[in-house]
Amino acid sequence: GQNIDQPTEMTATEGAIVQINCTYQTSGFNGLFWYQQHAGEAPTFLSYNVLDGLEEKGRFSSFLSRSKGYSYLLLKELQMKDSASYLCAVMDSNYQLIWGAGTKLIIKP
Amino acid sequence: GAVVSQHPSWVICKSGTSVKIECRSLDFQATTMFWYRQFPKQSLMLMATSNEGSKATYEQGVEKDKFLINHASLTLSTLTVTSAHPEDSSFYICSSKLAGDYNEQFFGPGTRLTVL
Repeated sequence: GQNIDQPTEMTATEGAIVQINCTYQTSGFNGLFWYQQHAGEAPTFLSYNVLDGLEEKGRFSSFLSRSKGYSYLLLKELQMKDSASYLCAVMDSNYQLIWGAGTKLIIKP
Repeated sequence: GAVVSQHPSWVICKSGTSVKIECRSLDFQATTMFWYRQFPKQSLMLMATSNEGSKATYEQGVEKDKFLINHASLTLSTLTVTSAHPEDSSFYICSSKLAGDYNEQFFGPGTRLTVL
């Protein structure tokens, strides 16, 4: 079966750095996405990785290792507004997105 | 960027009634739209993939006669929840992607359905 695993909840301090991990087992791979979702709102796109390595975009970076079936989202200089759920999703061989359950990130002052 | 809108944002209805949710791509043509459902504290669950001009492809366990999808144009897809029941109360989100190989999906703002 297809499976995406990410921690259910994480807590971090404002101004700090946090890494959210995602491991996956899917039938085929056409890229991995990270989305941010605030409570009661739809997801918003953060990053897309299809090749191994680190993609940096401002305070957010995303890393992918296809051989390990592993990705992480790195958030730097955390702000209170970063409190949200972060969803990892993998596009399989049928170009269908397989979603993780999301990691709820709580930022404390 | 690509913008997707949904209407209504929220709806409350009585059990047994039908509710229609519209999903529109505002600045691009979406040959494919996706309909998701999300229960509280759970991840997105794909319900169906909607292709313009053809029948939608439903995921296993999703009743096609209960969740009617129509994708009549390149900018509009509709989801009708027929004979809604309280267990259908959920957050319904549509998304679409640009034609071609670009894989990013653009999400609508979602519709919160509450069935009394």
